[in-house]
Amino acid sequence: SYVLTQPPSVSVAPGQTARITCDGNKSANKRVHWYQQKAGQAPTLVISDDSNRPSGIPDRFSGSNSGNMATLTISRAEAGDEADYYCQVWDSNSEHMIFGGGTRVTVL
Amino acid sequence: EVQLVESGGGLVQPGGSLRLSCAASGFTFSNYWMSWVRQAPGKGLEWVATIKQDGSEKFYVDSVEGRFTISRGNSKNSLFLQMDSLRVEDTAVYYCARGIDCSGDCYPHPRWFDPWGQGTLVTVSS
Repeated sequence: SYVLTQPPSVSVAPGQTARITCDGNKSANKRVHWYQQKAGQAPTLVISDDSNRPSGIPDRFSGSNSGNMATLTISRAEAGDEADYYCQVWDSNSEHMIFGGGTRVTVL
Repeated sequence: EVQLVESGGGLVQPGGSLRLSCAASGFTFSNYWMSWVRQAPGKGLEWVATIKQDGSEKFYVDSVEGRFTISRGNSKNSLFLQMDSLRVEDTAVYYCARGIDCSGDCYPHPRWFDPWGQGTLVTVSS
C-alpha cells in the first residue's frame, strides 16, 4: 500500500524557516494536504491541494509538491507553531486515505 | 459556524460493540463526504472510514473492514460509526471530519478533512 514518510521531528529557531518533508512514491501525481495538531487539540487543515491555504491560515504557511516529495514550509516561525504536522493523500489504487507518520515541530 | 460534535465513546471489553455519533451543524450536511479518523494514545492519525454524501459509497481501512460500519442520517445531520468485535488495538480518540462538497461535480473521494470534531475516546480493555 502507499506510504508517506515524514521525519519524526524538526527544530527551528524563532523567526527562522522550518521545512517538513513528506516522501511518497510519485507524490507529485497526487494532491497532498497538511494538518497541524497542537497538544490536546483536534487537527486543523493548514494546506490543501499541495499549496492552497484555507481561510484563516497565515501566509507564513506554504506548501509545494514535486517528484516524490511534498514540503510544508513555515516561515518566520513562532512559538505558537509548535505542533505535530501530518501530510495526507488519497491513494486511488487502494481507495484509502493515507496519512504520514507525523512530524513534531519544536520552536527553540 | 461549522461544528462537529462526537459522542458515544467509553470503556468496552474486547469483543464488545459501541456506536459513535457525530452531530453536524452550520453547513448543508447532505452535500458533503464525511469520515472517521482515529488516533491511538501517543500515536499518529489513522483514517478509519469514509462515506459519500448520499451513502452510496463507503471506504474502510483494512483493519476495520467487516467489523465497523459507517452510516449517516442526512435528515438529522448525523454521522455514525458502528463498531463491533472491538479489539484492544481499536483504543483511540475517534474524530469525525468533513470532506469536500459533493453537491456539484462530485469528486470520487473526500480529498481532505476539514473541519474536525473534538473527538470521543474509545477504550477497549478487560
